[in-house]
Amino acid sequence: GENVEQHPSTLSVQEGDSAVIKCTYSDSASNYFPWYKQELGKGPQLIIDIRSNVGEKKDQRIAVTLNKTAKHFSLHITETQPEDSAVYFCAASKEGGSEKLVFGKGMKLTVNP
Amino acid sequence: KAGVTQTPRYLIKTRGQQVTLSCSPISGHRSVSWYQQTPGQGLQFLFEYFSETQRNKGNFPGRFSGRQFSNSRSEMNVSTLELGDSALYLCASSWTPTGAIYNEQFFGPGTRLTVL
Repeated sequence: GENVEQHPSTLSVQEGDSAVIKCTYSDSASNYFPWYKQELGKGPQLIIDIRSNVGEKKDQRIAVTLNKTAKHFSLHITETQPEDSAVYFCAASKEGGSEKLVFGKGMKLTVNP
Repeated sequence: KAGVTQTPRYLIKTRGQQVTLSCSPISGHRSVSWYQQTPGQGLQFLFEYFSETQRNKGNFPGRFSGRQFSNSRSEMNVSTLELGDSALYLCASSWTPTGAIYNEQFFGPGTRLTVL
Protein backbone atom coordinates (compact mmCIF):
# COMPACT_ATOMS: atom_id res chain seq x y z
CA GLY A 1 0.00 0.00 0.00
CA GLU A 2 0.89 3.66 -0.15
CA ASN A 3 3.42 5.06 2.29
CA VAL A 4 4.05 8.77 2.77
CA GLU A 5 7.18 10.08 4.48
CA GLN A 6 7.38 13.69 5.65
CA HIS A 7 10.45 15.72 6.67
CA PRO A 8 11.35 17.51 8.84
CA SER A 9 9.17 16.73 11.85
CA THR A 10 9.70 20.18 13.37
CA LEU A 11 10.83 23.50 11.97
CA SER A 12 11.35 26.83 13.65
CA VAL A 13 11.78 29.99 11.58
CA GLN A 14 11.83 33.72 12.11
CA GLU A 15 8.89 35.78 10.91
CA GLY A 16 9.43 36.69 7.27
CA ASP A 17 11.57 33.66 6.49
CA SER A 18 10.51 30.89 4.13
CA ALA A 19 9.61 27.36 5.18
CA VAL A 20 9.79 24.19 3.10
CA ILE A 21 8.23 20.84 3.93
CA LYS A 22 9.11 17.78 1.88
CA CYS A 23 7.20 14.56 1.37
CA THR A 24 7.83 11.38 -0.55
CA TYR A 25 5.33 8.73 -1.57
CA SER A 26 5.74 5.13 -2.64
CA ASP A 27 2.81 4.31 -4.93
CA SER A 28 3.37 5.64 -8.43
CA ALA A 29 -0.38 5.36 -9.07
CA SER A 30 -1.13 8.12 -6.54
CA ASN A 31 -2.33 11.22 -8.34
CA TYR A 32 -3.77 13.56 -5.74
CA PHE A 33 -1.61 15.32 -3.14
CA PRO A 34 -3.30 17.63 -0.62
CA TRP A 35 -1.70 19.62 2.18
CA TYR A 36 -3.47 20.22 5.46
CA LYS A 37 -2.84 22.67 8.29
CA GLN A 38 -3.94 21.70 11.78
CA GLU A 39 -4.11 24.26 14.56
CA LEU A 40 -4.36 23.30 18.20
CA GLY A 41 -7.77 21.90 19.08
CA LYS A 42 -9.01 21.91 15.49
CA GLY A 43 -9.36 19.46 12.65
CA PRO A 44 -7.02 19.56 9.65
CA GLN A 45 -7.82 22.28 7.15
CA LEU A 46 -7.08 21.86 3.45
CA ILE A 47 -4.75 24.67 2.36
CA ILE A 48 -3.67 23.60 -1.10
CA ASP A 49 -3.60 20.52 -3.28
CA ILE A 50 -2.01 19.37 -6.49
CA ARG A 51 -2.84 16.70 -9.01
CA SER A 52 -0.36 14.63 -10.97
CA ASN A 53 -1.01 16.43 -14.25
CA VAL A 54 0.42 19.64 -12.74
CA GLY A 55 3.99 20.31 -11.64
CA GLU A 56 3.45 23.41 -9.53
CA LYS A 57 0.60 25.36 -8.00
CA LYS A 58 0.59 28.67 -6.13
CA ASP A 59 -1.85 30.42 -3.87
CA GLN A 60 -0.61 33.71 -2.46
CA ARG A 61 2.23 32.85 -0.04
CA ILE A 62 1.86 29.11 -0.49
CA ALA A 63 3.16 26.97 -3.33
CA VAL A 64 3.35 23.24 -3.88
CA THR A 65 5.61 21.40 -6.31
CA LEU A 66 5.36 17.81 -7.51
CA ASN A 67 8.05 15.61 -9.05
CA LYS A 68 6.35 12.45 -10.27
CA THR A 69 9.56 10.84 -11.43
CA ALA A 70 11.18 11.13 -8.02
CA LYS A 71 7.84 10.64 -6.23
CA HIS A 72 8.19 13.63 -4.01
CA PHE A 73 6.25 16.82 -3.42
CA SER A 74 6.94 19.91 -1.36
CA LEU A 75 5.12 22.78 0.31
CA HIS A 76 6.73 26.21 0.28
CA ILE A 77 5.54 29.02 2.54
CA THR A 78 7.05 32.44 1.92
CA GLU A 79 7.05 35.49 4.20
CA THR A 80 5.98 33.40 7.17
CA GLN A 81 3.81 34.97 9.86
CA PRO A 82 3.15 33.88 13.46
CA GLU A 83 -0.31 32.67 12.43
CA ASP A 84 1.35 30.14 10.13
CA SER A 85 2.44 28.27 13.27
CA ALA A 86 0.65 24.92 13.19
CA VAL A 87 1.16 21.27 12.25
CA TYR A 88 1.26 20.63 8.51
CA PHE A 89 0.38 17.30 6.94
CA CYS A 90 0.97 16.07 3.44
CA ALA A 91 -1.13 13.25 2.02
CA ALA A 92 -1.45 11.13 -1.10
CA SER A 93 -4.36 9.38 -2.74
CA LYS A 94 -5.59 7.92 -5.98
CA GLU A 95 -8.58 9.77 -7.34
CA GLY A 96 -11.28 8.02 -9.26
CA GLY A 97 -12.87 5.86 -6.62
CA SER A 98 -12.95 5.48 -2.91
CA GLU A 99 -9.25 5.60 -2.24
CA LYS A 100 -8.29 6.77 1.21
CA LEU A 101 -5.91 9.59 2.01
CA VAL A 102 -2.57 8.36 3.35
CA PHE A 103 -0.98 11.01 5.54
CA GLY A 104 2.57 11.84 6.47
CA LYS A 105 3.41 12.11 10.17
CA GLY A 106 3.15 15.88 10.16
CA MET A 107 5.53 18.77 10.71
CA LYS A 108 5.22 21.27 13.53
CA LEU A 109 6.06 24.74 12.25
CA THR A 110 6.85 27.51 14.71
CA VAL A 111 7.17 31.05 13.41
CA ASN A 112 8.91 33.30 15.91
CA PRO A 113 7.97 37.00 15.89
CA LYS B 1 -22.23 26.64 4.11
CA ALA B 2 -21.82 25.09 7.49
CA GLY B 3 -18.76 22.90 7.90
CA VAL B 4 -18.47 19.34 9.07
CA THR B 5 -19.82 18.94 12.59
CA GLN B 6 -18.95 16.21 15.05
CA THR B 7 -20.58 15.36 18.34
CA PRO B 8 -19.68 15.09 21.07
CA ARG B 9 -16.45 17.04 21.11
CA TYR B 10 -15.12 15.25 24.19
CA LEU B 11 -15.80 11.86 25.71
CA ILE B 12 -14.40 9.98 28.68
CA LYS B 13 -15.07 6.27 28.87
CA THR B 14 -13.68 3.32 30.78
CA ARG B 15 -12.19 0.13 29.41
CA GLY B 16 -14.74 -2.36 28.18
CA GLN B 17 -17.41 0.23 27.43
CA GLN B 18 -18.60 1.11 23.97
CA VAL B 19 -18.96 4.51 22.35
CA THR B 20 -20.80 6.06 19.40
CA LEU B 21 -19.54 9.16 17.64
CA SER B 22 -21.57 11.23 15.20
CA CYS B 23 -20.65 13.22 12.10
CA SER B 24 -22.75 15.54 9.97
CA PRO B 25 -21.12 16.28 6.61
CA ILE B 26 -21.25 19.49 4.65
CA SER B 27 -24.61 19.83 2.93
CA GLY B 28 -24.51 18.05 -0.43
CA HIS B 29 -21.50 15.92 0.43
CA ARG B 30 -22.21 12.23 0.09
CA SER B 31 -18.89 10.69 1.10
CA VAL B 32 -17.85 10.50 4.74
CA SER B 33 -14.50 9.19 5.92
CA TRP B 34 -13.29 8.55 9.45
CA TYR B 35 -9.73 8.85 10.71
CA GLN B 36 -8.03 8.17 14.03
CA GLN B 37 -5.32 10.61 15.09
CA THR B 38 -2.78 9.74 17.78
CA PRO B 39 0.62 11.28 18.58
CA GLY B 40 2.41 8.03 17.79
CA GLN B 41 0.61 6.85 14.66
CA GLY B 42 -0.55 10.13 13.18
CA LEU B 43 -3.67 10.16 11.03
CA GLN B 44 -4.90 6.69 10.14
CA PHE B 45 -7.83 5.85 7.90
CA LEU B 46 -10.68 3.90 9.50
CA PHE B 47 -13.36 3.66 6.81
CA GLU B 48 -15.26 5.55 4.15
CA TYR B 49 -18.98 5.57 3.39
CA PHE B 50 -20.80 6.66 0.28
CA SER B 51 -24.55 6.42 -0.19
CA GLU B 52 -24.92 4.33 2.97
CA THR B 53 -22.34 1.77 1.78
CA GLN B 54 -18.89 1.19 3.17
CA ARG B 55 -16.57 1.52 0.20
CA ASN B 56 -13.19 1.27 1.86
CA LYS B 57 -11.83 0.10 5.19
CA GLY B 58 -8.52 0.60 6.96
CA ASN B 59 -6.55 -1.84 9.08
CA PHE B 60 -8.48 -1.64 12.31
CA PRO B 61 -10.04 -4.48 14.32
CA GLY B 62 -13.70 -5.35 14.00
CA ARG B 63 -14.42 -3.45 17.23
CA PHE B 64 -14.46 -0.37 15.04
CA SER B 65 -17.57 -0.08 12.91
CA GLY B 66 -19.58 2.59 11.23
CA ARG B 67 -22.66 3.36 9.26
CA GLN B 68 -24.14 6.09 7.12
CA PHE B 69 -27.72 7.23 6.96
CA SER B 70 -29.78 8.32 3.98
CA ASN B 71 -29.11 11.98 4.80
CA SER B 72 -25.33 11.24 4.62
CA ARG B 73 -24.85 11.65 8.37
CA SER B 74 -22.52 9.02 9.73
CA GLU B 75 -21.79 7.34 13.03
CA MET B 76 -18.87 5.26 14.14
CA ASN B 77 -18.93 2.81 17.00
CA VAL B 78 -16.13 1.37 19.06
CA SER B 79 -16.99 -1.60 21.24
CA THR B 80 -15.04 -3.05 24.15
CA LEU B 81 -12.88 0.02 24.52
CA GLU B 82 -9.16 -0.36 25.20
CA LEU B 83 -6.74 2.20 26.61
CA GLY B 84 -5.08 2.41 23.20
CA ASP B 85 -8.31 3.67 21.64
CA SER B 86 -7.74 7.05 23.26
CA ALA B 87 -7.39 9.40 20.31
CA LEU B 88 -8.88 12.23 18.33
CA TYR B 89 -11.44 10.80 15.91
CA LEU B 90 -11.87 12.91 12.82
CA CYS B 91 -14.61 12.84 10.25
CA ALA B 92 -14.16 14.23 6.76
CA SER B 93 -16.69 14.76 4.00
CA SER B 94 -16.30 15.24 0.28
CA TRP B 95 -18.51 15.87 -2.71
CA THR B 96 -18.33 12.74 -4.82
CA PRO B 97 -20.65 12.57 -7.82
CA THR B 98 -21.49 9.02 -8.73
CA GLY B 99 -18.67 7.45 -10.73
CA ALA B 100 -16.67 10.68 -10.77
CA ILE B 101 -13.46 11.93 -9.21
CA TYR B 102 -12.95 11.66 -5.50
CA ASN B 103 -12.56 15.25 -4.43
CA GLU B 104 -10.92 17.09 -1.60
CA GLN B 105 -11.92 16.16 1.92
CA PHE B 106 -13.06 18.65 4.53
CA PHE B 107 -12.48 17.73 8.14
CA GLY B 108 -14.54 18.36 11.23
CA PRO B 109 -13.05 19.44 14.58
CA GLY B 110 -12.94 15.87 15.85
CA THR B 111 -14.09 14.03 18.94
CA ARG B 112 -11.47 13.64 21.65
CA LEU B 113 -11.97 10.20 23.23
CA THR B 114 -10.22 9.33 26.47
CA VAL B 115 -10.36 5.76 27.72
CA LEU B 116 -9.55 5.27 31.41
